[in-house]
Amino acid sequence: QVQLQESGPGLVKPSETLSLTCTVSGGSISNYYWSWIRQSPGKGLEWIGYIFYTGRANYNPSLKSRVTFSVDTSTNQFSLKLTSVTAADTAIYYCARGSTNNYYRAYFDYWGQGTLVTVSS
Amino acid sequence: QSVLTQPPSVSGAPGQRLTISCTGSSSNVGAGFDVHWYQQVPGTAPKVLIYANDNRPSGVPDRFSGSKSGASATLAITGLQAEDEADYYCQSYDNRLSGAYVFGSGTKVTVL
Repeated sequence: QVQLQESGPGLVKPSETLSLTCTVSGGSISNYYWSWIRQSPGKGLEWIGYIFYTGRANYNPSLKSRVTFSVDTSTNQFSLKLTSVTAADTAIYYCARGSTNNYYRAYFDYWGQGTLVTVSS
Repeated sequence: QSVLTQPPSVSGAPGQRLTISCTGSSSNVGAGFDVHWYQQVPGTAPKVLIYANDNRPSGVPDRFSGSKSGASATLAITGLQAEDEADYYCQSYDNRLSGAYVFGSGTKVTVL
């Protein structure tokens, strides 16, 4: 059974960089697209972007200028960095697996439990 | 503002049938991309309910069904149960710019 677990600071100061890591267990990170998705308090889901195990990434145009993903196949982890954060970036951040490497047909079949990141001084 | 439009809320009595609509455009649902549905119980991560328009993962009750026509999709819940009270989201792919996954605005289902 594939499991995902997000980790990282729960509190980030405004203008600083938010960094999170997702550890994949019970399966290989290879051959799948891995996404970050966030949910602001009381709001809907927002896709941040995906990274393929090869390192190829694609980002939501609304966040593209501030976000960078990386992947480490040796540790079965992938990571998110979001720069210049503001209060609007306060959200629960989920990592999730795309169900197929036909990325345009994929749905998110495995999710982490989510981690709340608060942006505040 | 979400790319896919859903009603903010729907409600029904136990045993009733509910439907939730998901309306997209020519760059996503209307372009032929699949629609997937998720159920999110408050405080938990979303769980896939329907994938590729009308397919149920194993373990999902057959009370849940999906359909798609043109630029819209529908999630139906028959025989509504108290445990179905949750938020529901549709999701698809959008081929504008470099491509992206898009979610619906979400629908809160209340069991009366």
